[in-house]
Amino acid sequence: DIQMTQSPSSLSASVGDRVTITCRASQSISNYLNWYQQKPGKAPKLLIYAASTLQSGVPSRFSGSGSGTDFTLTISSLQPEDFATYYCQESYSPPPTFGGGTKVEIK
Amino acid sequence: EVQLVESGGGLVQPGGSLRLSCAASGFTFSSYWMSWVRQAPGKGLEWVASIKQDGSEIYYVDSVKGRFTISRDNAKNSLFLQMNSLRAEDTALYYCARIYYGSGVSRFDPWGQGTLVTVSS
Repeated sequence: DIQMTQSPSSLSASVGDRVTITCRASQSISNYLNWYQQKPGKAPKLLIYAASTLQSGVPSRFSGSGSGTDFTLTISSLQPEDFATYYCQESYSPPPTFGGGTKVEIK
Repeated sequence: EVQLVESGGGLVQPGGSLRLSCAASGFTFSSYWMSWVRQAPGKGLEWVASIKQDGSEIYYVDSVKGRFTISRDNAKNSLFLQMNSLRAEDTALYYCARIYYGSGVSRFDPWGQGTLVTVSS
């Protein structure tokens, strides 16, 4: 099975900050990488698929990049509603696996 | 509006059984793979099982093989998870999720609100 490693596991940031979250796959997964946002007490929500394609309705301050084994989720200017936990997920081969999550907290 | 609503969770003793349901609406249920994904309290996301549109292909995470059974009723737009021989480590919030395939990549979208399964004596 493919292992997904996210870093950092948590971070503190201020409104307006640029935030970068990294996800690394244990083997090449091309662009088969999705990002989800989960707010406390809520279900995960798809943000980005195919490594860099923004899901409809997601603000443009979110962006994704990468291919192969290394991927990045960037929030260009952190907003109050962005404080949440973010998960990457590979869909290259079954079983689908998730990263451990990155909790973005208010500084 | 695409919507998934889970039900059937609750408190069950170790070794017991539970059947989860997921009611789908707002899309052609029979056209999509469907999945169950769980989240233990305070932990991350773990895929549990997936089922093809017609039920002809099914996959499970190793830890539930032989104990859990995923199924669907396309006539009733419903997804199920029969959970037997439950263990404490199965305690989690269980989400129903549609597998959406497009642009060459599959993803879980949308997700239901989840149903909580607690295995404890």
